[in-house]
Amino acid sequence: EAGVAQSPRYKIIEKRQSVAFWCNPISGHATLYWYQQILGQGPKLLIQFQNNGVVDDSQLPKDRFSAERLKGVDSTLKIQPAKLEDSAVYLCASSLRQWRMNTEAFFGQGTRLTVV
Amino acid sequence: GQQVMQIPQYQHVQEGEDFTTYCNSSTTLSNIQWYKQRPGGHPVFLIQLVKSGEVKKQKRLTFQFGEAKKNSSLHITATQTTDVGTYFCTPIGGSNYKLTFGKGTLLTVNP
Repeated sequence: EAGVAQSPRYKIIEKRQSVAFWCNPISGHATLYWYQQILGQGPKLLIQFQNNGVVDDSQLPKDRFSAERLKGVDSTLKIQPAKLEDSAVYLCASSLRQWRMNTEAFFGQGTRLTVV
Repeated sequence: GQQVMQIPQYQHVQEGEDFTTYCNSSTTLSNIQWYKQRPGGHPVFLIQLVKSGEVKKQKRLTFQFGEAKKNSSLHITATQTTDVGTYFCTPIGGSNYKLTFGKGTLLTVNP
């Protein structure tokens, strides 16, 4: 079974530039998550999709971050413009959520973003 | 979302010693998942606990869910250097079944 694919693995940009991350979840997984993990901290949930609908984006800084899930499969996360504090690893995860029961989440390798 | 407190935040042990990390919630949890993240890696699912009082074992790892479903623990017997990493408990619940992570417990093992 193929895992969660993320690209790019690494990205270095200057502040005020824009950047986009791509995620391809495991086939058939309805739930997709984007997390931001700053060094030394736990993953922070940015946005959660159920199929192509957003079910939670309460911690997404909407003035600069946006995300979409195309046709309920692939997803992109964009930052525009980037700030120094956006330097982090961005993790994508997916799960086969069944009614009223979460199943395990599978994580991609992550994208390490450095903003200089 | 449901919040849990995980303790300790850091634990350093000698190889062969036991290790336990605890998760405590002020509210009843629907279920709880445990993940491990190796340094430089991504979180990897370990187990999900659903039933009150549930105990599950995976080799040297023992997971417990409290009778009131407000606390959980992970116990590792005779730690090895391969156990190094951050262990997260993640409560599952709420109308959206969010998967949220706290600070976790960072385990380091001295060989």
